[in-house]
Amino acid sequence: DVKVTQSSRYLVKRTGEKVFLECVQDMDHENMFWYRQDPGLGLRLIYFSYDVKMKEKGDIPEGYSVSREKKERFSLILESASTNQTSMYLCASNSGSYNEQFFGPGTRLTVL
Amino acid sequence: AQTVTQSQPEMSVQEAETVTLSCTYDTSESDYYLFWYKQPPSRQMILVIRQEAYKQQNATENRFSVNFQKAAKSFSLKISDSQLGDAAMYFCAYRSLYNAGNMLTFGGGTRLMVKP
Repeated sequence: DVKVTQSSRYLVKRTGEKVFLECVQDMDHENMFWYRQDPGLGLRLIYFSYDVKMKEKGDIPEGYSVSREKKERFSLILESASTNQTSMYLCASNSGSYNEQFFGPGTRLTVL
Repeated sequence: AQTVTQSQPEMSVQEAETVTLSCTYDTSESDYYLFWYKQPPSRQMILVIRQEAYKQQNATENRFSVNFQKAAKSFSLKISDSQLGDAAMYFCAYRSLYNAGNMLTFGGGTRLMVKP
């Protein structure tokens, strides 16, 4: 079974802090994604990566950056957290051979 | 850019009955994929069903089936014999064949409640 794990289920940070959200997948997938989930808005793509050290902006990249130093790990970075970044963050991965994206359990981030 | 719309923020169904969740999308492309994902409370999102646009036959997975109307750009999900475990958020998603990285565009979601 494909497994996608995220470093924290719940996280509370203060405004201005630097925040790291980590995602690890164990199926050698080349594509990895970070989404933000908000009520009524569904999932919106922040960034994705199709290879190590490669990244592409999604629909809402402002205020975020990403890092992919190893194929299995994809990190989302909030350089200076703000209250409007309070949200659920979902990581996903897939391979070019499959259409399905496999999701992690999500990290609920609260910025105070 | 493609958009996906789910017009029903919440739906409810009696256990053992049938419910249909609506999804419409906007695209100028002729080939694409459509998906329904399920997100149970506090659990991971999982794929329910997938439809390739070039296939005229509607996809079916056990109690889940779709009504794919390509000309109308409609992709509804029918859940038959609803069970308590079907209670979840359901997301409709679109995938273009022409972008890199298999990106998905999601609708806003429908919360399905199942009454015992």
